[in-house]
Amino acid sequence: GESVGLHLPTLSVQEGDNSIINCAYSNSASDYFIWYKQESGKGPQFIIDIRSNMDKRQGQRVTVLLNKTVKHLSLQIAATQPGDSAVYFCAEKSPGNQFYFGTGTSLTVIP
Amino acid sequence: EADIYQTPRYLVIGTGKKITLECSQTMGHDKMYWYQQDPGMELHLIHYSYGVNSTEKGDLSSESTVSRIRTEHFPLTLESARPSHTSQYLCASRQGVTTEAFFGQGTRLTVV
Repeated sequence: GESVGLHLPTLSVQEGDNSIINCAYSNSASDYFIWYKQESGKGPQFIIDIRSNMDKRQGQRVTVLLNKTVKHLSLQIAATQPGDSAVYFCAEKSPGNQFYFGTGTSLTVIP
Repeated sequence: EADIYQTPRYLVIGTGKKITLECSQTMGHDKMYWYQQDPGMELHLIHYSYGVNSTEKGDLSSESTVSRIRTEHFPLTLESARPSHTSQYLCASRQGVTTEAFFGQGTRLTVV
């Protein structure tokens, strides 16, 4: 079948550098924003979330920033490792419990 | 490891056939989702469910149906498969207000 949609943007970083992955969202009413990591041949895995009333949240080696003014979300990965190579998706959860994913970014870590 | 399973992993089927993709989870999650994902592309929401006997349509639902008779089971049916249905189908579940959804390994469907 014919594929319809956007091809994923790509990001290449050197091992040990920090990575910044960006996402634009559309629904101002979304109450949570979430980042997922999808490795080849697998389903997406949860990384970190942020509530809509926050602008920053930190996890282990990851930080998510939320800018509601411009509807922008970013994921920062510190000291990127080869195991971080994957496709990263942002998702938004609506108050109605719908879960919509944005266009992902393919991250390649160069050893 | 997430306890959510999809079968079959791979399926090749002829045009016009009726097919059902299976998804089961043993975590007791109330919410379940079906997504379609072409290789290297974004995920599109097909259907979702808030609980038993609850189903809602997503963006790509017009050519498929789902049912939620039991908490753990959320099958997706294509009444008449077409080559445009060739894609990967991902099932996910989550509980309550949590944002962590668990995904199955996916079913890669090819319609010839």
